[in-house]
Amino acid sequence: GAGVSQSPSNKVTEKGKDVELRCDPISGHTALYWYRQRLGQGLEFLIYFQGNSAPDKSGLPSDRFSAERTGESVSTLTIQRTQQEDSAVYLCASSLVGAVSSYEQYFGPGTRLTVT
Amino acid sequence: AQSVAQPEDQVNVAEGNPLTVKCTYSVSGNPYLFWYVQYPNRGLQFLLKYITGDNLVKGSYGFEAEFNKSQTSFHLKKPSALVSDSALYFCAVRPDTGRRALTFGSGTRLQVQP
Repeated sequence: GAGVSQSPSNKVTEKGKDVELRCDPISGHTALYWYRQRLGQGLEFLIYFQGNSAPDKSGLPSDRFSAERTGESVSTLTIQRTQQEDSAVYLCASSLVGAVSSYEQYFGPGTRLTVT
Repeated sequence: AQSVAQPEDQVNVAEGNPLTVKCTYSVSGNPYLFWYVQYPNRGLQFLLKYITGDNLVKGSYGFEAEFNKSQTSFHLKKPSALVSDSALYFCAVRPDTGRRALTFGSGTRLQVQP
């Protein structure tokens, strides 16, 4: 079946502009995660959605970052008033919940954001 | 809070030789441990996981990892390296209860020389 897809694959924006990144999880995956990967570094957790539960926003670095998810499908990550330090690859992942096979997360190809 | 350490930025190994990529972790409760691989310009691919049971877990592409609770380690191994194994490898951990998000190490670049 189809994997996790993300759009756009690349985004260049000017400092101060807002950007919106999109993630389509694997069909049937109720859990969705956003991570950020700065150049040469590991992944940093941003936010986690699980079904209708309140999202875990503990990783969002500032109030300029927000995310929404429509039911158990598409999610959008919005960064307002972008700063140069926001430049990174933003990765989305999804997983099943409730079975042993659900523990691994499946990642999309990422959106490379460059703030000039 | 949990953390993962990958002490080697880069590991170099000759093709055909065994390889080890090191990972140690810190987590409250029982750990769920994962290895992912990232090829250039591609997303992360799941390699293997330890949830419970046998300490030696086998995964994709001939890789395996050994969970050592006393040393809080989860080193990735392969008996015979291939040039195509050259990539960036990430170790990750999450607790068995509570937050499901993964905490990743900083990554280790594996370079396999022909």
